[in-house]
Amino acid sequence: DGGITQSPKYLFRKEGQNVTLSCEQNLNHDAMYWYRQDPGQGLRLIYYSQIVNDFQKGDIAEGYSVSREKKESFPLTVTSAQKNPTAFYLCASRSGYNEQFFGPGTRLTVL
Amino acid sequence: AQSVTQLGSHVSVSEGALVLLRCNYSSSVPPYLFWYVQYPNQGLQLLLKYTTGATLVKGINGFEAEFKKSETSFHLTKPSAHMSDAAEYFCAVRFMFSGGYNKLIFGAGTRLAVHP
Repeated sequence: DGGITQSPKYLFRKEGQNVTLSCEQNLNHDAMYWYRQDPGQGLRLIYYSQIVNDFQKGDIAEGYSVSREKKESFPLTVTSAQKNPTAFYLCASRSGYNEQFFGPGTRLTVL
Repeated sequence: AQSVTQLGSHVSVSEGALVLLRCNYSSSVPPYLFWYVQYPNQGLQLLLKYTTGATLVKGINGFEAEFKKSETSFHLTKPSAHMSDAAEYFCAVRFMFSGGYNKLIFGAGTRLAVHP
């Protein structure tokens, strides 16, 4: 089955640690996105990538980093510079001008 | 500036009643419009979309939405609510940027509760 997978589903981080969230898609989509979701604030765009080896900052990129070395993979690193990282993180992909397809999400909690 | 406004962060209806979730947007060009649904601790699932053509679009689970350009609205409706419709609903608009980039701007979401 084609789709988007995110791992892990739940992630716990100690303060000062970097953590990496995985996002993989087998839909052969060119564009991929990372969103952060907080209660009552909808989805906010962190980073997006239109093609391999290219990515752009979204609205809240500070404290995050990404890479896009392969078409199917778009990992997100939450660095220690992100002061309030506890949130639900969603990865999405898109083909052409069509809608975005979302993964199941990763819930990150800082201990 | 581009924006999406969903009126009402919480909506409660009785089972069998009409569901109406409101969405207004600002855009200087014809928009692509989307409604997504999210169940607890899950990703977003597309309900329906408007790109071009017929302004009344039908989606999954009996939902439909009408694009009204004059009102810059894209309200979501369902004639008869079911308990399984309880979820959070997000309206989104696609905006194009220079260089061919495009992104979705999401509303803050509306949580729908359905009671017996």
